[in-house]
Amino acid sequence: KAGVTQTPRYLIKTRGQQVTLSCSPISGHRSVSWYQQTPGQGLQFLFEYFSETQRNKGNFPGRFSGRQFSNSRSEMNVSTLELGDSALYLCASSLDRERHFGPGTRLLVL
Amino acid sequence: AQKVTQAQTEISVVEKEDVTLDCVYETRDTTYYLFWYKQPPSGELVFLIRRNSFDEQNEISGRYSWNFQKSTSSFNFTITASQVVDSAVYFCAPRVRSGGGADGLTFGKGTHLIIQP
Repeated sequence: KAGVTQTPRYLIKTRGQQVTLSCSPISGHRSVSWYQQTPGQGLQFLFEYFSETQRNKGNFPGRFSGRQFSNSRSEMNVSTLELGDSALYLCASSLDRERHFGPGTRLLVL
Repeated sequence: AQKVTQAQTEISVVEKEDVTLDCVYETRDTTYYLFWYKQPPSGELVFLIRRNSFDEQNEISGRYSWNFQKSTSSFNFTITASQVVDSAVYFCAPRVRSGGGADGLTFGKGTHLIIQP
């Protein structure tokens, strides 16, 4: 069974731009969650989607948003990028209580 | 409030030694899951084990084992006969079970494990 896939793997943007990251969960998994990892703040929970509905949200500004499609694929959008948004963005899909992570998207904001 | 602490920032051992990673989870919740993940240099988080707060039995899975001490809220993870490929950052991450909803994982700061040949 294929694992969680994330695209793109690497991305370079400039301040003020917006970015959309994509996550395809493991087949059959209906829950997708997003995490941001930075050297300073570590791994932080962004939000979780289940059956196209946001079920839980971390403590991030409204510039961070997401959505989930009927096939469980999810996208995360960051608008008006700031230098501090440079991070590894990890997506995880889950079935029941286990979470399996994708390889992440490394975003660099210049 | 919940707090997860991985006090060990970095551990270095020689291959084949046993190594224990510490994690303390302070919470008033009585029901939760505690996950351990490994993050090799490639960046992908690899699921290792999951533990339920209501199960006090210590478990062994291959070279991995963990010890739960309820009195100190400690979930310690042990790798037996360490190998160079075990070198990675290890995170413990509690997840509170909440009635019909779901909560994200709260990650500790991680312990960088270095296995020297």
